[in-house]
Amino acid sequence: EAQVTQNPRYLITVTGKKLTVTCSQNMNHEYMSWYRQDPGLGLRQIYYSMNVEVTDKGDVPEGYKVSRKEKRNFPLILESPSPNQTSLYFCASSLSSPTHYSYEQYFGPGTRLTVT
Amino acid sequence: EDQVTQSPEALRLQEGESSSLNCSYTVSGLRGLFWYRQDPGKGPEFLFTLYSAGEEKEKERLKATLTKKESFLHITAPKPEDSATYLCAVQADTGGFKTIFGAGTRLFVKA
Repeated sequence: EAQVTQNPRYLITVTGKKLTVTCSQNMNHEYMSWYRQDPGLGLRQIYYSMNVEVTDKGDVPEGYKVSRKEKRNFPLILESPSPNQTSLYFCASSLSSPTHYSYEQYFGPGTRLTVT
Repeated sequence: EDQVTQSPEALRLQEGESSSLNCSYTVSGLRGLFWYRQDPGKGPEFLFTLYSAGEEKEKERLKATLTKKESFLHITAPKPEDSATYLCAVQADTGGFKTIFGAGTRLFVKA
């Protein structure tokens, strides 16, 4: 089954304790992305990656790191989490194109993070 | 600055009462406009992609249209199972592949 998986699904942690949220896709997609979703603000893009070893900032990258060492995986790293990073996080993937067209994204089930 | 605004924030309909959701966008160049549906506690699910003004896409009770400044999602004779949050997103042709989402429209359809 074609899917995007995220782990963990739920996480409660304390301020300053480093954490990693994993994301994996089995569709051989080049493009992967991380979003956070907050009430009233919608989905905001944190980072995206066009391919292995190629990453770029979205609209809210502060406090987050990413890496893309393999095509299928795109982990999100919070090196020193703070309470304002409490949110619902989604990973997504899509095909990418060298032309000016873009493709729909497939989303994972979400990770609910609480930082106390 | 690239921006996406959706209206209304929430919409309550009776079953069978057709209506439209609006997505206004400001981008320097549109690479694609997307509509997604999101159920509570789940990730967004893809509905439509529109690339150029005048384009229309249709699927069951949903029809998406696109102009140079906005997109509409028309819902014809909705059913309670159409209740969800509908999200609009754009990718701009500005040298990168950022995706910008609107805040969404929460649709409630009562039987």
